[in-house]
Order: sequence, then C-alpha cells, then structure tokens
Amino acid sequence: QQPVQSPQAVILREGEDAVINCSSSKALYSVHWYRQKHGEAPVFLMILLKGGEQKGHEKISASFNEKKQQSSLYLTASQLSYSGTYFCGTEKVGSSNTGKLIFGQGTTLQVKP
Amino acid sequence: NAGVTQTPKFRVLKTGQSMTLLCAQDMNHEYMYWYRQDPGMGLRLIHYSVGEGTTAKGEVPDGYNVSRLKKQNFLLGLESAAPSQTSVYFCASSTYSGSGYGQYFGPGTRLTVT
Repeated sequence: QQPVQSPQAVILREGEDAVINCSSSKALYSVHWYRQKHGEAPVFLMILLKGGEQKGHEKISASFNEKKQQSSLYLTASQLSYSGTYFCGTEKVGSSNTGKLIFGQGTTLQVKP
Repeated sequence: NAGVTQTPKFRVLKTGQSMTLLCAQDMNHEYMYWYRQDPGMGLRLIHYSVGEGTTAKGEVPDGYNVSRLKKQNFLLGLESAAPSQTSVYFCASSTYSGSGYGQYFGPGTRLTVT
C-alpha cells in the first residue's frame, strides 16, 4: 500500500526541468510533497487536496489526478538548492481526520552546475 | 519559535536496554507523529496522536510505546531495544492536513542498537 514513486533517481543540469511521479493503489484524500537534504529532516513543500487545485511554490508545482490516484511534482529551471530526496506522502480516503501519511520510497534528485 | 525539537540527537543502546525519546513542539499543534527512516524505505509511521491524551498505532508499532500527557510533548519508548530498531527517528507535528497544512519535522534522533 506504499505509494510508488518514479523515477528512483534523476540527475539534472542547472536550468533543466524534472517531473517526479507518485502513484497509489488506494483512493486518496490528499497528497503531500516533502524534500529532504542529506542528514536533515524532511521539509514540507506543498499539499494537494481532493477536489483542490494545482498548487505552486516558487518554481515547483504539483498536480493531483484523483481518478488515477496519482500526483506529479514539477521542478522547472532547477537550481543547485533543489538537490535532495523528494518524498510523496499520501492520505487515504477514510483516514478519519487523522492526517496519517504513507510515504513513498523517495526520488533522489541531483542538480549539477 | 523553536518549532519541533527532539532529545537526544544520538544514542547507542545495547540489546535489551530501554530508552525514551522526547519530542516537543511550540506551535500549539494538535497532531503529532513518530516515524522511523531506514535506507531505501522512506518514512514509516510508528504511532501518532490526534490530541492530548490520545495515541494510536501506525504502520510499524511493534516494540514501541508512546504517551501524550501534554499537548506539546510526545514521547516514544523502547522497552527492550533490538538491533532491528537501529534507525533514524523523526517526530512531526501538524494541524490537521485536511485544512491544507503539512507536517513539520524535528531534526531526528539517530539510534544504534548493538
């Protein structure tokens, strides 16, 4: 029941774009995206709610296809600071207002000069 | 605001020993969570709390206990540590995600059980 992220790893040059996908087998109420740098805590990027709109955060945006139980994270014009591991966290429909998240295995992004 | 803090930052235990990890938050959040992170496994939920005095099991609760006696604190206990509990432990807090807010993580505790 863990969501599946793809790709597992990606290497970019500064200024290039990337897409990270998150796919679940369960009906979802929300999808969270977090970034974690090596040796640090995960940092919240954005949340997409069932019935909500596509969200944006600087040059990072995301979409949520409720019917397909999929979310995608879009990183445009990547910067060195975007390097890290990206995790999606999914909240199932029927979680009874607990905020319980099941996280994907992560996608490692490396941005090179 | 300190946000979410965790004590201790590092700990080494021998098999069979016990310990308590402390998580504290100063954001007046109702929801608090304990995760463990192992290489290649992502974050897995151990226990969580939706308010003072409440606790519930997550994905991997076996071998752990928790308590939430005060709203700002969430304690994670290991009664008899095992090598399989070697991991990095993260605490997080949140207002409910259905309101559009994410989880805020503490810096983590790196635990080694020998």
